[in-house]
Amino acid sequence: GQQLNQSPQSMFIQEGEDVSMNCTSSSIFNTWLWYKQDPGEGPVLLIALYKAGELTSNGRLTAQFGITRKDSFLNISASIPSDVGIYFCAGQSQGGSEKLVFGKGTKLTVNP
Amino acid sequence: EPEVTQTPSHQVTQMGQEVILRCVPISNHLYFYWYRQILGQKVEFLVSFYNNEISEKSEIFDDQFSVERPDGSNFTLKIRSTKLEDSAMYFCASSGTGVEQYFGPGTRLTVT
Repeated sequence: GQQLNQSPQSMFIQEGEDVSMNCTSSSIFNTWLWYKQDPGEGPVLLIALYKAGELTSNGRLTAQFGITRKDSFLNISASIPSDVGIYFCAGQSQGGSEKLVFGKGTKLTVNP
Repeated sequence: EPEVTQTPSHQVTQMGQEVILRCVPISNHLYFYWYRQILGQKVEFLVSFYNNEISEKSEIFDDQFSVERPDGSNFTLKIRSTKLEDSAMYFCASSGTGVEQYFGPGTRLTVT
């Protein structure tokens, strides 16, 4: 089945640093979404990307939909302690399928 | 802000028992989903539901699983005869467009 390779698996950073994580796939996706999950909670939608090359921001978060439609990255600028959590990329493939295929997540730890 | 809600938050059941997990999607949404997440792993798609019928299901969603929208507000997932490997977090999600999917807080199912 379709798989998303998300990296890095985990990151340990200092408060104030910028963070970058990415997802790659062997197949094309029509839509990329980025979610954040806190322990014991459901994923919260951060950003949705709809077109190849699209660059979208949500506050300190910026995400891009790769030109090849097989990758996406998420940047977090000036990290703060509440950015701690697991960040998941998710893609919707061609053909009208609505299911989201999730990456394995990037666990972010921010040291104050 | 409208939210997806799920009950119960935690369900403990014995192997072989039936369980029903309940969800109230966001009120004007038309697309509904169930996903599951085994502890420490990625989120996996189970089933999507639109216009009162299943639109897509994964290999995980076998004959032991069923979904229902019994009224205008609830969306349920039934597991007829639970197995140990069904232990996981189960997330309901809903969408107005079939693209941006909003997740509930999840039900932790523990099968003993």
